[in-house]
Amino acid sequence: KAGVTQTPRYLIKTRGQQVTLSCSPISGHRSVSWYQQTPGQGLQFLFEYFSETQRNKGNFPGRFSGRQFSNSRSEMNVSTLELGDSALYLCASSLESAVTGTDTQYFGPGTRLTVL
Amino acid sequence: DAKTTQPNSMESNEEEPVHLPCNHSTISGTDYIHWYRQLPSQGPEYVIHGLTSNVNNRMASLAIAEDRKSSTLILHRATLRDAAVYYCILRDYVDSSYKLIFGSGTRLLVRP
Repeated sequence: KAGVTQTPRYLIKTRGQQVTLSCSPISGHRSVSWYQQTPGQGLQFLFEYFSETQRNKGNFPGRFSGRQFSNSRSEMNVSTLELGDSALYLCASSLESAVTGTDTQYFGPGTRLTVL
Repeated sequence: DAKTTQPNSMESNEEEPVHLPCNHSTISGTDYIHWYRQLPSQGPEYVIHGLTSNVNNRMASLAIAEDRKSSTLILHRATLRDAAVYYCILRDYVDSSYKLIFGSGTRLLVRP
């Protein structure tokens, strides 16, 4: 079974631009969660989508948004990029809602975003 | 807030057991304790999880204190491949929403 895939793996943008990151979950998984990882703040939960609905949300500004499609693939969008948005963005999938259940999350390799 | 506290780093010799502690004094009765690890340049990977009883799988064992305020991840024989950052995770219910809270993790160094 193929693992979680994320595209692109690396991205360079400038301040003020917007970016869209993509995540393809493991086949059959309905939950997709997004995390931001930085050296200073560590791994922080962004949001979770389950069956095309945003179920949970972390403490991030409205510039961070996402969506999930009927095939469970998910996209994350960051508008008006700031230097502090430079980070590794990780996507994780699970069968059921990872946050309300006990289900195991499977992480992708991440997208490394650099904002100049 | 359901938070976890872990030592910043630990060292072990190859082939020896490793005990990685985690404190979670504000855990609620229904929260599972999950452990993940992150190898260099990779996304985190699942290690083990438990609720009240000790748990074993092919990767590790999880020992949970009777009051559930702490737990210990046990690697029975550390290998060089086990060098990673280990995260102890709980979920938190804040602002009418569940979140998974990753702590700062413990960086495990394995000496050959």
